[in-house]
Amino acid sequence: EVQLLDSGGGFVQPGGSLRLSCVASGFTFSSYAMSWVRQAPGKGLEWVSSISGSGDITYSAASVKGRFSISRDNSKNTLYMQMNSLRVEDTALYYCAKGWTTSPFDYWGQGSLVTVSS
Amino acid sequence: QSALTQPPSASGSPGQSVTISCTGTSTDIGGYNYVSWYQQHPGKAPKLIIYEVTKRPSGVPDRFSGSKSGNTASLTVSGLQAEDEVDYYCSSYVDNNNLVFGAGTKLTVL
Repeated sequence: EVQLLDSGGGFVQPGGSLRLSCVASGFTFSSYAMSWVRQAPGKGLEWVSSISGSGDITYSAASVKGRFSISRDNSKNTLYMQMNSLRVEDTALYYCAKGWTTSPFDYWGQGSLVTVSS
Repeated sequence: QSALTQPPSASGSPGQSVTISCTGTSTDIGGYNYVSWYQQHPGKAPKLIIYEVTKRPSGVPDRFSGSKSGNTASLTVSGLQAEDEVDYYCSSYVDNNNLVFGAGTKLTVL
């Protein structure tokens, strides 16, 4: 059974940093691209970033480029999102998802809440 | 990148069919067959119900179907059931390795 377990969310002041993690199980992690998708409270879904199975190719939305960095450790079956220079508008539930910009998000984590506020 | 355009709400009676549209441009929906649809229950993670415009993942009822014409994709839910009353989101690949979602549609079963 595929499982994605998100963690690392929390409360941070504007300009601060957080690192999200997502531990995967139930599939060959290194063979699949992974992504982060966020959802602001009461709002719709927004794609944030994607990384290839090997980790050598990454893509990010313009809204986070230069501030957020996606990475993975295939030896630990773990996906990461380093978030720097956080803004109030980054407040959202962050989901890790198995999938890529051209492949569907067929499995999702439970989400990790990030709150940016002064 | 602007969100794809979905109607905020849609409705139908039990047993009827309802279609939700998702409109983009030639740089996303119109240019590629990488359109997906997700169903989201309140407080839950989204669930994939349609991918590559028309394909259904294993386990998704055939009451759910997808199509595309030009820059507009559509999700049709046939034989509406009370459990279908949740939010639906479309997504599409966009030029230059981006991805965009629609703003979401809340489906009401009357």
